[in-house]
Amino acid sequence: DGGITQSPKYLFRKEGQNVTLSCEQNLNHDAMYWYRQDPGQGLRLIYYSQIVNDFQKGDIAEGYSVSREKKESFPLTVTSAQKNPTAFYLCASSIWGETQYFGPGTRLLVL
Amino acid sequence: GESVGLHLPTLSVQEGDNSIINCAYSNSASDYFIWYKQESGKGPQFIIDIRSNMDKRQGQRVTVLLNKTVKHLSLQIAATQPGDSAVYFCAEISRGDYKLSFGAGTTVTVRA
Repeated sequence: DGGITQSPKYLFRKEGQNVTLSCEQNLNHDAMYWYRQDPGQGLRLIYYSQIVNDFQKGDIAEGYSVSREKKESFPLTVTSAQKNPTAFYLCASSIWGETQYFGPGTRLLVL
Repeated sequence: GESVGLHLPTLSVQEGDNSIINCAYSNSASDYFIWYKQESGKGPQFIIDIRSNMDKRQGQRVTVLLNKTVKHLSLQIAATQPGDSAVYFCAEISRGDYKLSFGAGTTVTVRA
């Protein structure tokens, strides 16, 4: 069963804590992306990776970090520097320049 | 900056009628356009896409129309069903950098 998986579905963060969101794909896509979605809003790009071991900042990268050590995996860390982390986080993958396919999302809440 | 946006934030449709969702874009360098459907609490789901060298593309119950002269994109859904209730986003990929730009979305509600 091919696709993109994200875990966990819900994540709670305490003050000053770093948390990591998982994203895995078995579509053999080179490119992967992280987006943030706030209520009633469109998607904003946090980071993207065109190929393994390479990634670039998107429009709202401050307070986030990523790694791309494997083609299948693109984890996102929400650091304590991100002062307003509560949002719905979406991971996507694609052939570069083609349609992006999204995972089910992770909802991050702050305790 | 240039962006993709939708004309109306909400659309109410009678079940069985056809729906038309509109989108305007301003980046003339956009090469590729995509429509997504997002149900509450879920990730966006790909519906249909169209390249800039095409005017029309049809899928199952959906048609996308592209008018490059006025930079307008529309999604037509035939015989709208309750399961079509969702937020619909158009997105564009710029020829220059291949990053996807999204509009804010149109919420479609289907009345029984």
